[in-house]
Amino acid sequence: AQSVAQPEDQVNVAEGNPLTVKCTYSVSGNPYLFWYVQYPNRGLQFLLKYITGDNLVKGSYGFEAEFNKSQTSFHLKKPSALVSDSALYFCAVRDPPESGGYNKLIFGAGTRLAVHP
Amino acid sequence: DAGITQSPRHKVTETGTPVTLRCHQTENHRYMYWYRQDPGHGLRLIHYSYGVKDTDKGEVSDGYSVSRSKTEDFLLTLESATSSQTSVYFCASNGNMNTEAFFGQGTRLTVV
Repeated sequence: AQSVAQPEDQVNVAEGNPLTVKCTYSVSGNPYLFWYVQYPNRGLQFLLKYITGDNLVKGSYGFEAEFNKSQTSFHLKKPSALVSDSALYFCAVRDPPESGGYNKLIFGAGTRLAVHP
Repeated sequence: DAGITQSPRHKVTETGTPVTLRCHQTENHRYMYWYRQDPGHGLRLIHYSYGVKDTDKGEVSDGYSVSRSKTEDFLLTLESATSSQTSVYFCASNGNMNTEAFFGQGTRLTVV
């Protein structure tokens, strides 16, 4: 069964500095990976995904993520953090087709990002 | 945004009563999901559906059942609500394996 780990409950960054939110995964086969963001009292919004292709994926709001197959990681990054980036971030992994699964989508526990002025 | 709505948005119910939450999508998406969100646990998958009348259990399915009689509707039923089921429930849907899932706004359920 697939699983996702987000090892940090909270990440604190100063505005203007680069940020990284970590994610590692476990699946049988090639992973389908996603990042979502949740603002207070809201649903989840999609940021970016890796299905295949380039290991560096660019997404919404200046975020990007680097897929590393050997380290089974998919870390979220941004070169220069904004206070408005403060939110809860979720990494997710989907059953790949070759696993015979039915598109089950599993989320990590989430990482709270706090960007300080 | 994809057209996905949850109802009700807020509900307070008593222990032992059945509760049904509804998820409705207008995107003709094949796949639909129910999650619960609790502090420290993130989003945990309750049940999901890969087609009309095709459903499967997720990580925390005990005490919950689902039904999908039409493409657009995915119902989550708490057969006999308990205080441990107090949570925020999110529904999501997506069209195929390569696409992202779209989420509803959530239902805050309190079991007293």
